Amino acid sequence: DTGVSQDPRHKITKRGQNVTFRCDPISEHNRLYWYRQTLGQGPEFLTYFQNEAQLEKSRLLSDRFSAERPKGSFSTLEIQRTEQGDSAMYLCASSPQGGDEQFFGPGTRLTVL
Amino acid sequence: RKEVEQDPGPFNVPEGATVAFNCTYSNSASQSFFWYRQDCRKEPKLLMSVYSSGNEDGRFTAQLNRASQYISLLIRDSKLSDSATYLCVVSVSTDSWGKLQFGAGTQVVVTP
Repeated sequence: DTGVSQDPRHKITKRGQNVTFRCDPISEHNRLYWYRQTLGQGPEFLTYFQNEAQLEKSRLLSDRFSAERPKGSFSTLEIQRTEQGDSAMYLCASSPQGGDEQFFGPGTRLTVL
Repeated sequence: RKEVEQDPGPFNVPEGATVAFNCTYSNSASQSFFWYRQDCRKEPKLLMSVYSSGNEDGRFTAQLNRASQYISLLIRDSKLSDSATYLCVVSVSTDSWGKLQFGAGTQVVVTP
């Protein structure tokens, strides 16, 4: 499968715990995006990488959230001290340089108890 | 006010009928427009880009009205497999990339 992959697909955690999600973009896509989607809403932009550089972060991304893409390939999104309000689907997408279409991964569904 | 607004529906459509719905966007600097389709508990997938002159892809027709800042999608001869949530998406270009802004989606349910 050469699409965007995300791991894990589901994560249940207790409030206050840290969680980390991984995204593997389509190979040779140098742009990578993280979104958050809650029930009944469209995806909301969190952050954007071009290669290894994090070029934009949404105000939604509080200090408890950090994202990395150290080698310009896969990316990780970490949430520290999770809160119940963090429960959502976290979607990763990638696109090639100059391409309009973003290709989404299957998402990681986070439930914070 | 949300930057991209859509009627959430659901639009209940008999199989074979035509359904149309719009979305409005607030940022006049929006440059690219798309419809994405999202099935229940799945990721969004690009359905079609929307061009200023309007465009058609099989049974799907998209229109853009920049003056009134709305985008429409029309589905002809609806199939059961068209049941999904349709996300209206606009892109506001910055120096190096186009930031996508999603509407909350319009749910379409095609019934036998």
